[in-house]
Amino acid sequence: NAGVTQTPKFRILKIGQSMTLQCTQDMNHNYMYWYRQDPGMGLKLIYYSVGAGITDKGEVPNGYNVSRSTTEDFPLRLELAAPSQTSVYFCASSYLGLAGGPRDNEQFFGPGTRLTVL
Amino acid sequence: AQKVTQAQTEISVVEKEDVTLDCVYETRDTTYYLFWYKQPPSGELVFLIRRNSFDEQNEISGRYSWNFQKSTSSFNFTITASQVVDSAVYFCALSEERAGGTSYGKLTFGQGTILTVHP
Repeated sequence: NAGVTQTPKFRILKIGQSMTLQCTQDMNHNYMYWYRQDPGMGLKLIYYSVGAGITDKGEVPNGYNVSRSTTEDFPLRLELAAPSQTSVYFCASSYLGLAGGPRDNEQFFGPGTRLTVL
Repeated sequence: AQKVTQAQTEISVVEKEDVTLDCVYETRDTTYYLFWYKQPPSGELVFLIRRNSFDEQNEISGRYSWNFQKSTSSFNFTITASQVVDSAVYFCALSEERAGGTSYGKLTFGQGTILTVHP
């Protein structure tokens, strides 16, 4: 299993440009998440999805959009990039079952995308 | 709302010293999970441990140990005989409930503790 993969690894955007950060997982996880990590800070949740076709906002959703058309993919779209969106973006996935198995609720993280907006 | 506080921003130790990283959390839920993640200089997040709110047993894994105390809402992490390879940022995180609840496994992170182990 490749786990959670993210592309690109690095990107520099100009103010006002748009881009999509790609995230794919091959573990058949039902839940997926996008976090951002600002320098010297912990991660903050941007958006999450509980299954294909279902997404919802996290703590810091402004300036972002997501979609989830398949179980595997959860792209994050930045429209009109701003310097405040300079950050490292992490995608994660997990399986949450009602029975609470041994790996339940463990989030697997991708390697991150380092984005700079100038 | 849930909150995780890691009071130590940076810790510096010399190799072979023991070091404890503190984590205090706030939640109104009775069912929750606590996590520790390691972020080495390469930047990826490495899962270390998950503990659910009903299991207060301490856990030891090699040089790592975790002390969970619900009475003080703390989930502290100790590295025994630290090594240079332990140098990283360590994050404590909290997730309320499991599927069927309303949190959907969303993680709330502390701000992290930078651990530097000198040779």
